[in-house]
Amino acid sequence: EVQLLESGGGLVHPGGSLRLSCAASGFTFSTYSMTWVRQAPGKGLEWVSAISNSGTSTYYTDSVKGRFTISRDNSKNTLYLHMNSLRAEDTAVYFCARESDYSDFDWWGQGTLVTVSS
Amino acid sequence: DIQMTQSPSTLSASVGDRVTITCRASQSISYWLAWYQQKPGKAPKLLIYKASSLQSGVPSRFSGSGSGTEFTLTISSLQPDDFATYYCQQYNSYWTFGQGTKVEIK
Repeated sequence: EVQLLESGGGLVHPGGSLRLSCAASGFTFSTYSMTWVRQAPGKGLEWVSAISNSGTSTYYTDSVKGRFTISRDNSKNTLYLHMNSLRAEDTAVYFCARESDYSDFDWWGQGTLVTVSS
Repeated sequence: DIQMTQSPSTLSASVGDRVTITCRASQSISYWLAWYQQKPGKAPKLLIYKASSLQSGVPSRFSGSGSGTEFTLTISSLQPDDFATYYCQQYNSYWTFGQGTKVEIK
């Protein structure tokens, strides 16, 4: 069965950095695009970033461009989100998800909480 | 950017009720729309993709319809397990979610 397991969340000061990881199993990781979605406390879902199966194409929502970097290591079946210059408004649960062949998100991890606070 | 607007924001219903949630796109997205269900503290779950295709393992009481800018999610007979928040998502141009519809017990 497909499994996605995020890690790396925690408490960080404004302006700080954090790297999230998403370990994938149960499918051929290198053949799927992957994505990060976040959810601020009590709020809705917000798409953050996506990466093609090879890693050559990356996409970001405007609010994180220049601060976040998505990457992947297909040899380790792992997706990453490098987050710099963190702001209070980046506080959220971050989910990794698999993009289906149609580009909807068919499998999701359980999420990891990032709290940006002084 | 494509904006997605769901209505209503909250819906009170009873077990056995027929429930309909509407999602409108700010521009045409053809049929590139998905519906997700999320329960508190859990990850979203894909229910419907390409506007009307039922994801594997999802009960047949869930159905989706629409194209262009207006879409609906229908639950034909609400079950206790269906009380949750539902999100639409467009994927015609990048990805945008609606603000969510909470289905609560009447």
